[in-house]
Amino acid sequence: AQRVTQPEKLLSVFKGAPVELKCNYSYSGSPELFWYVQYSRQRLQLLLRHISRESIKGFTADLNKGETSFHLKKPFAQEEDSAMYYCALTGNQGGKLIFGQGTELSVKP
Amino acid sequence: EPEVTQTPSHQVTQMGQEVILRCVPISNHLYFYWYRQILGQKVEFLVSFYNNEISEKSEIFDDQFSVERPDGSNFTLKIRSTKLEDSAMYFCASSVSARGPSTDTQYFGPGTRLTVL
Repeated sequence: AQRVTQPEKLLSVFKGAPVELKCNYSYSGSPELFWYVQYSRQRLQLLLRHISRESIKGFTADLNKGETSFHLKKPFAQEEDSAMYYCALTGNQGGKLIFGQGTELSVKP
Repeated sequence: EPEVTQTPSHQVTQMGQEVILRCVPISNHLYFYWYRQILGQKVEFLVSFYNNEISEKSEIFDDQFSVERPDGSNFTLKIRSTKLEDSAMYFCASSVSARGPSTDTQYFGPGTRLTVL
């Protein structure tokens, strides 16, 4: 079954603390993994994707095929990082995104 | 920067009524999608559309749903006879292509909140 699991509904940290938002997936094949972010009253937007291997706004995510995980990390959280974060995947033929439940990140001053 | 737009932002309807949700994808994009998010639940795929036909649909996308690209710019989702459980946020998305290392990012619209009474 194709599934994305984000175990935490809410993650609350203080400014400057490290952040890790967890994402595990189930997919038979080679999926592409993404993190989308939704800031308050804004649209879903792509944060990063595993094939790019880049860091966006200080966030990184490494695809671990052995653990079927794609956790999102940032060493020092900022207040402006507060948002909903969604992990998602597509199959190797592209197309539809399968989303996790989302994790709300709250960064306190 | 070009954006996907959706209208209306909020639609209230009576159960059994037909609704049409409208989307204007980014102009050079070829693949179009509808997703929905019931309050408190995950974003779910409904349907994808390419070259004037449905390329994939989910189990949710039953005979009550249809999509259309009536002209060169709009992409619509019609629900023929709305049910209470159709209440959700509906997102439109578009991409240049469905497959490709740097061209298949899906860009999302702001969503239409559908409330069925």
